[in-house]
Amino acid sequence: QLQLQESGPRLVKPSETLSLTCTVSGGSISSANYYWGWIRQTPGKGLEWIGSMYYAESTYYNPSLKGRVTLSVDTSKNQLYLKLRSVTAADTAVYFCARHFLIKYFDLWGRGTPVTVSS
Amino acid sequence: EIVLTQSPATLSLSPGERATLSCRASQSLSRDLAWFQQKPGQAPRLLIYDSSSRATGIPARFSGSGTGTDFTLTISSLEPEDFAIYYCQQRSDWPPRYSFGQGTKVEIK
Repeated sequence: QLQLQESGPRLVKPSETLSLTCTVSGGSISSANYYWGWIRQTPGKGLEWIGSMYYAESTYYNPSLKGRVTLSVDTSKNQLYLKLRSVTAADTAVYFCARHFLIKYFDLWGRGTPVTVSS
Repeated sequence: EIVLTQSPATLSLSPGERATLSCRASQSLSRDLAWFQQKPGQAPRLLIYDSSSRATGIPARFSGSGTGTDFTLTISSLEPEDFAIYYCQQRSDWPPRYSFGQGTKVEIK
């Protein structure tokens, strides 16, 4: 059964880069049927889509993040990566990776990892 | 950007009662809307997709309806495990953009 697990530093300093990894187990990340996304959640803004990767080639990002985000994948490690640059306190959130379903939705999520931006 | 507005913010009900949750979109979505359930400390769980299709393993007491801009999630008879926060979600066609409603909390009365 496919499972997703986020990992990375829980504390990041303002202006630095937040880097997270999503490890996929129980299946291949490079399957042509799978697309992958990142979503974050804060008490104030709720659930916010960060970006998605289709076929490990096409990536789409939330324009509200103003070009600070990059998604990538390492198929040999079955891992997805999120990098968010120039973070501020507003980027403090729980970060989830998720699998797309029918492209339009998200049907399988990791448990999420909390990240705090603070000096 | 398509905005999803959920109502009410909180629904106070007793086990066995019927819950009706609303999600309104700022533009027509056809039937491209999903519903999620989230419990504290957990990831959202897909309940309904394409407005009315139940995801794998979701009990029949959960049903969805609607098209265009108005959508409804109905829980026919609340079980104790159904008290949670519910979110709707949509995708804009091109370029792809995904957004969520702000959530409706179903709490025990």
